[in-house]
Amino acid sequence: DVVMTQTPVSMSVSLGGQVSISCRSSQSLVHNNGNTYLSWYIQKPSQSPQLLIYKVSNRFSGISDRFSGSGSGTDFTLKISRVEPDDLGVYYCGQGTQYPPTFGAGTKLELK
Amino acid sequence: EVQLVESGGGLVQPGASLKLSCVASGFTFSDYWMSWVRQTPGKTMEWIGDIKYDGSYTNYAPSLKNRFTISRDNAKSTLYLQMSNVRSEDTATYYCTRGPITSNWFAYWGQGTLVTVSS
Repeated sequence: DVVMTQTPVSMSVSLGGQVSISCRSSQSLVHNNGNTYLSWYIQKPSQSPQLLIYKVSNRFSGISDRFSGSGSGTDFTLKISRVEPDDLGVYYCGQGTQYPPTFGAGTKLELK
Repeated sequence: EVQLVESGGGLVQPGASLKLSCVASGFTFSDYWMSWVRQTPGKTMEWIGDIKYDGSYTNYAPSLKNRFTISRDNAKSTLYLQMSNVRSEDTATYYCTRGPITSNWFAYWGQGTLVTVSS
């Protein structure tokens, strides 16, 4: 299975600040079809996970442009700018290039 | 609006069986692969498996393949997860999810149903 490693485990941020979350995969996430199936999710307290970003850098419907994804191969980053209270929660990266799909352990974003 | 509503969770004894359901609405259910993902009390996310849009093919996480079975009824827009010989480590919240067409990412999640395995 592809192991997804997220850093940091947790981080604190001031409202209006910017954060970056790293996700590294144990194998390249480039699919045979040329696509890279790396996605990002947020799970707010007491809620289900929600998709933020798919295929590395594509924002899902309704997602603010304050969220941006980048990276390639095995190294990926989620950046959140102008952090708002509603951004707090646990962020997960996930890969869908190889079966079985796997997820990182999560990064908890808290207020400073 | 896409909606996925799971049900069937609860307290179950080790070694027992349990069947979860997920009713879908807001999209053409028979056009999409569907997946089950679970989240442990420690918040670890684990993909369980998926099923092709017509129900003709399934994939499973290797560690769960022998005990869990995914099926669907497209006429009822319903996805199922049959769990057998459950263990304490199966205690988790179980989510029904839908991807773009296949399972390369999970665009929609249900609210989850909690399964607690304990004697």
